[in-house]
Amino acid sequence: DTGVSQNPRHKITKRGQNVTFRCDPISEHNRLYWYRQTLGQGPEFLTYFQNEAQLEKSRLLSDRFSAERPKGSFSTLEIQRTEQGDSAMYLCASSLAYTEGMGDTQYFGPGTRLTVL
Amino acid sequence: QKEVEQDPGPLSVPEGAIVSLNCTYSNSAFQYFMWYRQYSRKGPELLMYTYSSGNKEDGRFTAQVDKSSKYISLFIRDSQPSDSATYLCAMMGGSEKLVFGKGTKLTVNP
Repeated sequence: DTGVSQNPRHKITKRGQNVTFRCDPISEHNRLYWYRQTLGQGPEFLTYFQNEAQLEKSRLLSDRFSAERPKGSFSTLEIQRTEQGDSAMYLCASSLAYTEGMGDTQYFGPGTRLTVL
Repeated sequence: QKEVEQDPGPLSVPEGAIVSLNCTYSNSAFQYFMWYRQYSRKGPELLMYTYSSGNKEDGRFTAQVDKSSKYISLFIRDSQPSDSATYLCAMMGGSEKLVFGKGTKLTVNP
């Protein structure tokens, strides 16, 4: 399978615990995005990387959230001291920037569903 | 006012019907317009991509963009039960992030 993969697919944790999610993008894609989706809403942008550089962060991304993309390949999203409000689907997407005439077509992974008890 | 408005439905139609989904937006910088389909508890799947104004057709799906009215549409012809999903409009321009609507939940009844 050459699509975007995310692990784990589901995570249940207790309030106050730290969690880490992983995203593996489509292999030739140089951009990687994180979004969060809550029930009944569309995905909301959190942050994105071009290669290993984190170029934009949303105000939604509090200081409890940190994302990395070492070596410009896979990415991790860590949430520290989880709160019940963090319960959501965390989606990763990747794209190949500067594809002529295509803007920035983002392909999504299956998501990691986080439940904070 | 949110940047992208989309009626969440739900929308229920009989098999074979023509479905019309639409979004309005307020940000004039948006240049790229997409429609994603999302099945329950799955990631969004790209259906249609349009740059600036105009129409694009792909099989049973037609996407339309009217930048003068800040209005985009997705039409599904000969709808099938397998089309039952949530349809998300998404837009981009002036930034690398996608801005999504809430999604419209569609059910196609056999």
